[in-house]
Amino acid sequence: SQQGEEDPQALSIQEGENATMNCSYKTSINNLQWYRQNSGRGLVHLILIRSNEREKHSGRLRVTLDTSKKSSSLLITASRAADTASYFCATDAWNTDKLIFGTGTRLQVFP
Amino acid sequence: GAVVSQHPSRVICKSGTSVKIECRSLDFQATTMFWYRQFPKQSLMLMATSNEGSKATYEQGVEKDKFLINHASLTLSTLTVTSAHPEDSSFYICSAIPRRERGVRDTQYFGPGTRLTVL
Repeated sequence: SQQGEEDPQALSIQEGENATMNCSYKTSINNLQWYRQNSGRGLVHLILIRSNEREKHSGRLRVTLDTSKKSSSLLITASRAADTASYFCATDAWNTDKLIFGTGTRLQVFP
Repeated sequence: GAVVSQHPSRVICKSGTSVKIECRSLDFQATTMFWYRQFPKQSLMLMATSNEGSKATYEQGVEKDKFLINHASLTLSTLTVTSAHPEDSSFYICSAIPRRERGVRDTQYFGPGTRLTVL
């Protein structure tokens, strides 16, 4: 399977703490994206990082990409209870629009 | 922003019946749409790529005769689950890529999903 791996599978933290999720993938990529999914709902696009970028910020989100290690991390700073959701990374291989999703991290933020 | 809708949002059917799920791009034209399936507490698995005006491309292990895909226009793709069985119960999500200029890459926009329950 080409599916990426994410760790941890589940993460529980208190409000105000930072949450870090990691994603590893298997093939060369064009972009890597992070999505959020509330239980039983659709996907919300969070951030896209291109293969020639190493770090990107968006509000409380910070994404890093290391193409030599085929890995990425998503950091959510100063977490809130509303951040409780599943987070998925997704990669699209060079010259294809297909997205391959990681296994996901279920984040629980306690108030 | 680019909005993708799905209909119905939830469907319950009896085993052996066929169910059609629609995916529409509301404010843009999409030459390519994708269909994913997600089982509880699992990730999204790509089922097929739907291209307007041509046959869908199915991922390995996905039965094309069971999951019929029709992309009849630039704003609509349909997934029909034929002779549904309880093991087909899942969350089905579509996504669409806006029609774009040659060489320009764009992100996928996801629909809200359809929960199928087969009794």
